[in-house]
Amino acid sequence: QQPVQSPQAVILREGEDAVINCSSSKALYSVHWYRQKHGEAPVFLMILLKGGEQKGHDKISASFNEKKQQSSLYLTASQLSYSGTYFCGTGRLLANTDKLIFGTGTRLQVFP
Amino acid sequence: NAGVTQTPKFQVLKTGQSMTLQCAQDMNHEYMSWYRQDPGMGLRLIHYSVGAGITDQGEVPNGYNVSRSTTEDFPLRLLSAAPSQTSVYFCASRQGRFDGYTFGSGTRLTVV
Repeated sequence: QQPVQSPQAVILREGEDAVINCSSSKALYSVHWYRQKHGEAPVFLMILLKGGEQKGHDKISASFNEKKQQSSLYLTASQLSYSGTYFCGTGRLLANTDKLIFGTGTRLQVFP
Repeated sequence: NAGVTQTPKFQVLKTGQSMTLQCAQDMNHEYMSWYRQDPGMGLRLIHYSVGAGITDQGEVPNGYNVSRSTTEDFPLRLLSAAPSQTSVYFCASRQGRFDGYTFGSGTRLTVV
């Protein structure tokens, strides 16, 4: 049931682009994206809902393919501050439930 | 606003001891969840609640109990600590299923 993230790790130079993928074997209603820096709590980036629009702010955006149960996070012109571990979380529309299940994460390192 | 407050930040327990991890939020959020984070495993859902008086099990509930008597508080009880419960525990809350989670700063638990 845990979503699968790929790649497991990415190394970038400042200014380069990256794509992180998240896929599930279950029918999804929502996909969340979070970033966690070492020793800190995860921080919410964005949520994508079934039937909703592609989200994005600044140079980070995401898409959700409902038919394939897949989501992708796009990081454009990466900055040093983008370094961290990115987690996707997947949710299903079931009555009276809040089971947001996370993937194992993608570690992103951005170097000058 | 304080957000999501977890106490204690660090704890060492002996095998067989019991304890309660505290979590409180001041945002009037309905949904609250407990996750544990182990290296390479991502965030795994222990228990969650969709409102006061309503709780349910997540992916890894064995050895843990929860209750939700108020909207603000969602304590996690370890019944009889085992070394396998050594982990970082995060409490998180959100207003509803269309919102992102706000995480607490975590409790680092070591069971010896």
